[in-house]
Amino acid sequence: SQQGEEDPQALSIQEGENATMNCSYKTSINNLQWYRQNSGRGLVHLILIRSNEREKHSGRLRVTLDTSKKSSSLLITASRAADTASYFCATGDNYGQNFVFGPGTRLSVLP
Amino acid sequence: DSGVTQTPKHLITATGQRVTLRCSPRSGDLSVYWYQQSLDQGLQFLIQYYNGEERAKGNILERFSAQQFPDLHSELNLSSLELGDSALYFCASSVDGRPFTGELFFGEGSRLTVL
Repeated sequence: SQQGEEDPQALSIQEGENATMNCSYKTSINNLQWYRQNSGRGLVHLILIRSNEREKHSGRLRVTLDTSKKSSSLLITASRAADTASYFCATGDNYGQNFVFGPGTRLSVLP
Repeated sequence: DSGVTQTPKHLITATGQRVTLRCSPRSGDLSVYWYQQSLDQGLQFLIQYYNGEERAKGNILERFSAQQFPDLHSELNLSSLELGDSALYFCASSVDGRPFTGELFFGEGSRLTVL
């Protein structure tokens, strides 16, 4: 079964709005990563947050991690049409095994 | 460009056949991962190799096998193909064998269509 589960499955917003995606996971983690995939292309790493961090920023991206709730969120601010893609969270257990991805959130940013 | 090269980009074959997908990792990366992405299954982890040795195994079918060669390139062999094997197959690489300490670099994938 998937370690990470993103929510919502699909999200449609207008350009300039903020987009928030959530990820829940099941077991203890070392870190949690977010990746982006344009349609039919390879995944691209966006950001990594370690288990002892609560928040991290990278450009227009803001990631939070709540290990007590086993959840993370990815916020994209001031979205652009070019942000249209699928976004995945990924986790590995503390033994480095089974680095797995959630099913992803499909984000559509309308111009 | 991630630096990870996958060939072929597209492959069409018939049920029962066997195909080989090839991956060249980024220069210096010792670890290779294979993932299968289909519409109804999301991104499924298949197998990981580190410096020629199998490191972790996921939901890889017995009809599938992989190996990593001394020059660190990897091949994924898919045999007795079924319609359900149609998917995008991704290879990813990382510097070491622990993706949980760093990022994975993905190739552009090999799209397999089984007719």
